[in-house]
Amino acid sequence: DTGVSQDPRHKITKRGQNVTFRCDPISEHNRLYWYRQTLGQGPEFLTYFQNEAQLEKSRLLSDRFSAERPKGSFSTLEIQRTEQGDSAMYLCAVTGAANTGELFFGEGSRLTVL
Amino acid sequence: AQKVTQAQTEISVVEKEDVTLDCVYETRDTTYYLFWYKQPPSGELVFLIRRNSFDEQNEISGRYSWNFQKSTSSFNFTITASQVVDSAVYFCALSEGGYQKVTFGTGTKLQVIP
Repeated sequence: DTGVSQDPRHKITKRGQNVTFRCDPISEHNRLYWYRQTLGQGPEFLTYFQNEAQLEKSRLLSDRFSAERPKGSFSTLEIQRTEQGDSAMYLCAVTGAANTGELFFGEGSRLTVL
Repeated sequence: AQKVTQAQTEISVVEKEDVTLDCVYETRDTTYYLFWYKQPPSGELVFLIRRNSFDEQNEISGRYSWNFQKSTSSFNFTITASQVVDSAVYFCALSEGGYQKVTFGTGTKLQVIP
């Protein structure tokens, strides 16, 4: 158990709908990351937070994507007007207590856009 | 820009054989960190090891060993006496100084046949 809970685990939606994923670390972690993983590929960096501040966003993150971490604990990732190309596993990760770089991932939220 | 290359897409070995997973990285920083992660069929990414660029000592943990060579920009992972439970996708990853964005390779799928 990595201590990172993601919800929902699987979301099926129709193209054009909005979806929101939530990430809940069990304990406090300064840094929280969102990654996207498609079949046969490694995780791709989307964005990360240091406490409440969103410090970096990948160019992969189009205007349809927005992420928040309002109180520096849980985070949400919203995708507006979903497209079939958004189908992927969305992974949330936190750094360890010592903040030495290793990431601890949740089980992911799988998005299927029909 | 940082980059990680895992040239081996899939490897199959018979149980008890040794296997080495290759990882080659590119970075312009002198301070960087290298990681290996395991993604079993259940899907959750699991952190295995972290090395920093100043420590080229090889590391052994049970049946796992890692060979870090700056001269060839490689960070290879060897599993000795492989077991069926080692079957998974293994990812090599890199972050430049500051533990910010972690870049993953495309992964090597290891299948250990009983």
